[in-house]
Amino acid sequence: DIVMTQTPLSSPVTLGQPASISCRSSQSLVHSDGNTYLSWLQQRPGQPPRLLIYKISNRFSGVPDRFSGSGAGTDFTLKISRVEAEDVGVYYCMQSTQFPRTFGQGTKVEIK
Amino acid sequence: QVQLVQSGAEVKKPGASVKVSCKASGYTFSDYYIHWVRQAPGQGLEWMGWVNPNTGGTVYAQKFQGRVTTTRDTSLSIVYMELSGLKFDDTAVYYCTRGASSSCDHWGQGTLVTVSS
Repeated sequence: DIVMTQTPLSSPVTLGQPASISCRSSQSLVHSDGNTYLSWLQQRPGQPPRLLIYKISNRFSGVPDRFSGSGAGTDFTLKISRVEAEDVGVYYCMQSTQFPRTFGQGTKVEIK
Repeated sequence: QVQLVQSGAEVKKPGASVKVSCKASGYTFSDYYIHWVRQAPGQGLEWMGWVNPNTGGTVYAQKFQGRVTTTRDTSLSIVYMELSGLKFDDTAVYYCTRGASSSCDHWGQGTLVTVSS
């Protein structure tokens, strides 16, 4: 199975300041079709997960442009340009390149 | 709009089975796979498997092979996930989610399954 490792596991951030989360996979996420199936999910307290970013850097419908994704191969990053109060929650990376699908451990974003 | 509505919370004894339903609406049911993902209390997300609503074909994580069965009723646009041989550590919130956008783009509200003697 592909192991997804996120850092940091906790990220206290000041409102209006940027935040960055790293995700590293134990093997390349480049699929045989040439695509890289790495996505980012947000889970607010008491809510189901919500898709933010798919295929590394594509924002899902309705996701604010302060969220951006980047990376390649085995190293990926989610950035929030200016953290707002509604961004509090746990963020997961997920790989859909190989079975079984696997998730990172989650990174908790909280306001300082 | 796309909606996935799951059945209500369940309490089961060890060794029993549980069947969770997920009713889809707002899109063509047969066009998108449905995944099942679970989350133990205070823990992260764990992928269990998926079903192709069009063919009924399934893929399961090895961890759940032999214990999980996903079926669908295309006339009602419902997918079912049945987990047998329940253990205490199967206590979790179980989510159905639509496979799209090369990921999982819409999620049900979750179903809490508690395994307790």
